[in-house]
Amino acid sequence: ETGVTQSPTHLIKTRGQQVTLRCSSQSGHNTVSWYQQALGQGPQFIFQYYREEENGRGNFPPRFSGLQFPNYSSELNVNALELDDSALYLCASSIHGNTEAFFGQGTRLTVV
Amino acid sequence: AQTVTQSQPEMSVQEAETVTLSCTYDTSESDYYLFWYKQPPSRQMILVIRQEAYKQQNATENRFSVNFQKAAKSFSLKISDSQLGDAAMYFCAYRNYGGATNKLIFGTGTLLAVQP
Repeated sequence: ETGVTQSPTHLIKTRGQQVTLRCSSQSGHNTVSWYQQALGQGPQFIFQYYREEENGRGNFPPRFSGLQFPNYSSELNVNALELDDSALYLCASSIHGNTEAFFGQGTRLTVV
Repeated sequence: AQTVTQSQPEMSVQEAETVTLSCTYDTSESDYYLFWYKQPPSRQMILVIRQEAYKQQNATENRFSVNFQKAAKSFSLKISDSQLGDAAMYFCAYRNYGGATNKLIFGTGTLLAVQP
């Protein structure tokens, strides 16, 4: 049974650019959630995908978007990057309706 | 809206001793879940313990136990026989019962240091 894997582990982007982060969910998990964790803060919910559709969203602007694929893996896309987008982005997978979420090791995004 | 508050930014404990991390939350819901997650330097969030609000009995997992006070909206984590490997950031988290999403609401965390 493989865990949740995220790629890349680190990346640096320039303000105004676009970025795509990837997440492979744990085997058998059909739901993926994305979180943004700013330095010194707790993770903030961005959105959740289930059955390839977004079915819940936190207080993030539309330039944060995502996809879920038939194999339940997911992408987080951020357009028009801002300096404040610098953070650790965590992906969590779960079985829909189940309480336990399993997290990946995150992608550290730095916007300069 | 639900909120989670952790008022202890940092805590320290001697190896083999006991430490308690505090968490309070606010919600108008009667059914929900509460969690403690551990985030070591590897950055991966690891579930430590879970409590269902409808259960009066406090959850325990080996050296980890909680003190769940529903009326006071308090959810503290007790770590007994602390080990060096317990050093990490600890987050308290809340989740509504049911609903369409598995959205977790996190506190700001408590950094636990374990002194040898």
